[in-house]
Amino acid sequence: DAGVTQSPTHLIKTRGQQVTLRCSPKSGHDTVSWYQQALGQGPQFIFQYYEEEERQRGNFPDRFSGHQFPNYSSELNVNALLLGDSALYLCASSLGTGGAEAFFGQGTRLTVV
Amino acid sequence: AQSVSQHNHHVILSEAASLELGCNYSYGGTVNLFWYVQYPGQHLQLLLKYFSGDPLVKGIKGFEAEFIKSKFSFNLRKPSVQWSDTAEYFCAVNPKAAGNKLTFGGGTRVLVKP
Repeated sequence: DAGVTQSPTHLIKTRGQQVTLRCSPKSGHDTVSWYQQALGQGPQFIFQYYEEEERQRGNFPDRFSGHQFPNYSSELNVNALLLGDSALYLCASSLGTGGAEAFFGQGTRLTVV
Repeated sequence: AQSVSQHNHHVILSEAASLELGCNYSYGGTVNLFWYVQYPGQHLQLLLKYFSGDPLVKGIKGFEAEFIKSKFSFNLRKPSVQWSDTAEYFCAVNPKAAGNKLTFGGGTRVLVKP
């Protein structure tokens, strides 16, 4: 039973560029949430996708967008990258939207130079 | 907006010592509560969770936590730590009205000296 898988594991981008991160949820899960974890801080909620729609959003600018596919996998897109976007991006999957336990992937380490 | 405070950023202790990590949250409604652990080089893993019922919950690896509603607290405890408990520990809150959104504390780095 595969857990949550994320790709790539590491990424280096230049300021102003765009990036796409990918996530496959744990088998049987239909909800995907994305979190940003800056160095030395706890994860911060970016947004959540369920039934291919963004259901909730945290306090992140519109440069952050996402998508969920019919197979429940998801992408996180960040446009016009800033140095401050450097962080570990975590994907979490769960079943439904009723507060179920979330399972996390290993994350994608994004460095913006 | 809800917030979560973890009182200690760093804790250093010796093997066999007892561990208690504090967690307080600010939210007036009903919540689900979680403790996650991140071992070096690994992903976040669930240690334990509280949804309802007995406020003393037991998790994996000998950890337990107590929900005290009146104090908005959910402190994590382990009576006797091992070197393998070296990790970063995160408290997280999910208001039941907020779907699956988790609000995390800033984390506590625990170093257990052999």
